[in-house]
Amino acid sequence: GQNIDQPTEMTATEGAIVQINCTYQTSGFNGLFWYQQHAGEAPTFLSYNVLDGLEEKGRFSSFLSRSKGYSYLLLKELQMKDSASYLCAVLDSNYQLIWGAGTKLIIKP
Amino acid sequence: NAGVTQTPKFRILKIGQSMTLQCTQDMNHNYMYWYRQDPGMGLKLIYYSVGAGITDKGEVPNGYNVSRSTTEDFPLRLELAAPSQTSVYFCASSLRETSTDTQYFGPGTRLTVL
Repeated sequence: GQNIDQPTEMTATEGAIVQINCTYQTSGFNGLFWYQQHAGEAPTFLSYNVLDGLEEKGRFSSFLSRSKGYSYLLLKELQMKDSASYLCAVLDSNYQLIWGAGTKLIIKP
Repeated sequence: NAGVTQTPKFRILKIGQSMTLQCTQDMNHNYMYWYRQDPGMGLKLIYYSVGAGITDKGEVPNGYNVSRSTTEDFPLRLELAAPSQTSVYFCASSLRETSTDTQYFGPGTRLTVL
């Protein structure tokens, strides 16, 4: 079966750095996405990785290791508005997105 | 550009009733999707469409039907609503020109079946 694992919830302090991990087992791999979802709202695109390594985009970075079936999302200089759920999703061999359950990130002042 | 719009935002149905969730996109995207999101769970694909006149089942299609008569519209039909269909429903669209296929989501429809 296909499976994506992420921690259910994480807590961090405003101004700090947090790393959200994602491990996956899917039938094929055509890329990994991170989406942000604020409570009661729709998911919005954050990042895409298809090759191993780190992709940096402002305060957010995403890392991929295909051999380990592993990715992480790194958020720096945390702000209160970063409180949200972060969804990891893998594009499988049929080019369908398989979604993790999401990690709820709580930012404390 | 309105992006992806969905109606209604909220709905309460009685068991056995039927309804249609509307979804429209104005980005000329060829791919459209319907997902459901249950509390604490990932998004589950119900149906998707690769273009007007073409639809296909996703992971959880039972109890639902779709049609795609135009590029812009992709309605989701619930027949004989059941409590298990209580969920948040998201419609999404994408261009799918490359594998970097960013999906754009509508605001969601919160459906309760009692």
